[in-house]
Amino acid sequence: GAVVSQHPSWVICKSGTSVKIECRSLDFQATTMFWYRQFPKQSLMLMATSNEGSKATYEQGVEKDKFLINHASLTLSTLTVTSAHPEDSSFYICSARLGLAGSTDTQYFGPGTRLTVL
Amino acid sequence: GNSVTQMEGPVTLSEEAFLTINCTYTATGYPSLFWYVQYPGEGLQLLLKATKADDKGSNKGFEATYRKETTSFHLEKGSVQVSDSAVYFCALINFNKFYFGSGTKLNVKP
Repeated sequence: GAVVSQHPSWVICKSGTSVKIECRSLDFQATTMFWYRQFPKQSLMLMATSNEGSKATYEQGVEKDKFLINHASLTLSTLTVTSAHPEDSSFYICSARLGLAGSTDTQYFGPGTRLTVL
Repeated sequence: GNSVTQMEGPVTLSEEAFLTINCTYTATGYPSLFWYVQYPGEGLQLLLKATKADDKGSNKGFEATYRKETTSFHLEKGSVQVSDSAVYFCALINFNKFYFGSGTKLNVKP
């Protein structure tokens, strides 16, 4: 089946620094990737939708200047948390949707990245 | 709007017990409904799905029926195993966006 990877799987950083998380579709081309955030014991919340070659669409309440998303190729999207603060500590998950050949509701999820900001 | 509500956990069962995890939803239009499972340290995996009313999704002994009249998609399994211990998320997709419930942790004891 389709595989989505994320790197790193966990990261600890100091407050004020920036962290980049990569999301890759390993065996398929993903025209659309999604970034979610999951707080402990809570659901995944969609942060943004990323389309290859265009600007990401952010959900209401998500700061686009703080969470920079780049989708430069059909297999890679990156999320950069800029000037991270402890409240940004969370589990970040990406998903990738198959291209035109696949079902529009078929999304494959990455294993997630645990970010801890000290 | 669109939202998913599922029962709070954790749910603790003995092996071979019957499992039900309740899920209800609110949606505009005609959403597809899903159950995802998240094992410790892993990403979400699709467990089953149903795309229209009265459809039954099933996989690995789990099943759920899309009930439009009660706006529900309850997950059931007749006999759980220790290996089923995980967090289960009910979700819907509408206009290409996913909406997830808060997850229900299942602990199965031997």
